[in-house]
Amino acid sequence: EPEVTQTPSHQVTQMGQEVILRCVPISNHLYFYWYRQILGQKVEFLVSFYNNEISEKSEIFDDQFSVERPDGSNFTLKIRSTKLEDSAMYFCASRARAGEETGELFFGEGSRLTVL
Amino acid sequence: AQKITQTQPGMFVQEKEAVTLDCTYDTSDPSYGLFWYKQPSSGEMIFLIYQGSYDQQNATEGRYSLNFQKARKSANLVISASQLGDSAMYFCAISLNDYKLSFGAGTTVTVRA
Repeated sequence: EPEVTQTPSHQVTQMGQEVILRCVPISNHLYFYWYRQILGQKVEFLVSFYNNEISEKSEIFDDQFSVERPDGSNFTLKIRSTKLEDSAMYFCASRARAGEETGELFFGEGSRLTVL
Repeated sequence: AQKITQTQPGMFVQEKEAVTLDCTYDTSDPSYGLFWYKQPSSGEMIFLIYQGSYDQQNATEGRYSLNFQKARKSANLVISASQLGDSAMYFCAISLNDYKLSFGAGTTVTVRA
């Protein structure tokens, strides 16, 4: 069964360092997303990406964050200068083309980021 | 903006019994989708079931069924014949035409042997 894969599964970094979280969405999907879940809290939308550009972003997704699809398979989330409050589980998700009945959003297993 | 409310922070259920997890939503958009996800202690998000706002019948997937009451704006998840492996956090979510999901706060289910 096709799946969304994320690397690394866990990253520990020092405050102020740059972090890149990588995702490989399901190959025929067109819509890509990043979500964040701070420990013990609900899952929050960060950004959606379609047709090689951001289609929507939340207020959390400030100038420290960026996304990129550099090679047609990877979908990356970069945090330029990490803060303590960036510590969270980051989920990548992808979705099939518009018009698919199921509407299911496929999630990766998450990348846990710990900022010290 | 759409909103999802899950009023039960935690629930206990006896193995082999059924449990209902509440979810209400608020949106003025006539077209939307409702989702339930399971998050075990390992952290991954597992899709369980989907209900479209225009679907006439309640969605079912194995032991999971969704009690969709559109007029009340509720989309409760029913897990039948609970198993120990069902112990997890369960999230209700809504999506509109932009396809992004808005999640509720979640309900922790603990299945007792």
